[in-house]
Amino acid sequence: KNEVEQSPQNLTAQEGEFITINCSYSVGISALHWLQQHPGGGIVSLFMLSSGKKKHGRLIATINIQEKHSSLHITASHPRDSAVYICAAPYSGGGADGLTFGKGTHLIIQP
Amino acid sequence: KAGVTQTPRYLIKTRGQQVTLSCSPISGHRSVSWYQQTPGQGLQFLFEYFSETQRNKGNFPGRFSGRQFSNSRSEMNVSTLELGDSALYLCASSWTGGGGANVLTFGAGSRLTVL
Repeated sequence: KNEVEQSPQNLTAQEGEFITINCSYSVGISALHWLQQHPGGGIVSLFMLSSGKKKHGRLIATINIQEKHSSLHITASHPRDSAVYICAAPYSGGGADGLTFGKGTHLIIQP
Repeated sequence: KAGVTQTPRYLIKTRGQQVTLSCSPISGHRSVSWYQQTPGQGLQFLFEYFSETQRNKGNFPGRFSGRQFSNSRSEMNVSTLELGDSALYLCASSWTGGGGANVLTFGAGSRLTVL
């Protein structure tokens, strides 16, 4: 089973700050997922990446396959970015199956 | 297009009862995976189905079971409910599964309370 570690668990920052959330996994994977969960439970997929970097608006995700490490960055953070961010990797490391998750990062952006 | 639909959204059961939850994936998606979310354990993988076959299973007791129908709709069942089964149960669908290069779309979840 893939083990996923995520840090920090809690992060409070001021509006406008640059945010970084880190994720490491134990078993080689085909793709890593970054998810966002708002209060009430809904989960939205932000990124799925297998190499390099992806950017969507103010969000940037990077992955280093050799080091089994990924980061999620938020530039010019805004209070609406407040949510739980979760990284997830394939449960068995490869192939097409379910996901195993980090504990999540509870992000609060204060105005 | 319609998203992933989970029913029921909320339910209350008592210990010892059983419960069945349903998940209708996005049209064309053949993989459905199920997850349990609790405050203590976070999100945990239950099982994944593709074309009516269970391809992988997480570390949960046999009281937790599931199945997938030919139209890709999936159900999960929990028998002999325990207080610790109180959780948000989420399903997600994709073309071929989360381990492959496919984005998962999650349903809103079914919140189960066991009294």
